[in-house]
Amino acid sequence: RKEVEQDPGPFNVPEGATVAFNCTYSNSASQSFFWYRQDCRKEPKLLMSVYSSGNEDGRFTAQLNRASQYISLLIRDSKLSDSATYLCVVNAYSSASKIIFGSGTRLSIRP
Amino acid sequence: GAVVSQHPSWVICKSGTSVKIECRSLDFQATTMFWYRQFPKQSLMLMATSNEGSKATYEQGVEKDKFLINHASLTLSTLTVTSAHPEDSSFYICSASTGTAYNEQFFGPGTRLTVL
Repeated sequence: RKEVEQDPGPFNVPEGATVAFNCTYSNSASQSFFWYRQDCRKEPKLLMSVYSSGNEDGRFTAQLNRASQYISLLIRDSKLSDSATYLCVVNAYSSASKIIFGSGTRLSIRP
Repeated sequence: GAVVSQHPSWVICKSGTSVKIECRSLDFQATTMFWYRQFPKQSLMLMATSNEGSKATYEQGVEKDKFLINHASLTLSTLTVTSAHPEDSSFYICSASTGTAYNEQFFGPGTRLTVL
């Protein structure tokens, strides 16, 4: 079993739709969690950190479920510019030495 | 804030030559930097973790003698691909940790290496 698993997609949704991704992780000792987005042939960019209490940033909402060991990302009112690959990132220990990337979920927003 | 630069952004070289890639944190001090490689349509693969002033920690399967990492200061880490071969052609990305308790990483723009 992979340490961090994501549905690779692609998710193809119309503009304005709401879309959600999940990401599961295997190490219950994981300490911190992030969502990054990566555009084609570009570096990943931090989208959101995911806190235990959940957090929201505009149209984006991230949730953490420690009991079931997954994090989620919800995008409301999706825009064409949201088309990208979304990477789930888990820091397995309290130090920075064990960063695990999911393989990414491809999202395509159509007009 | 939290800007990371990489140089060069792309490089083409002949097989057998060595290529050095620089990663700089521009507006913060990074005690830890990470080097990744990404092949087309694949996920990022962590190659090594670089701590300022100490030897890098390489992931399993990454040859430390081929991928030399130097982290001489809190704002600069370098990756040298020695005796590059066509199979080393890839997108190399560095990231730097801000060192906060949550350990967010910020990525450089990447270096696209093509070995002929």
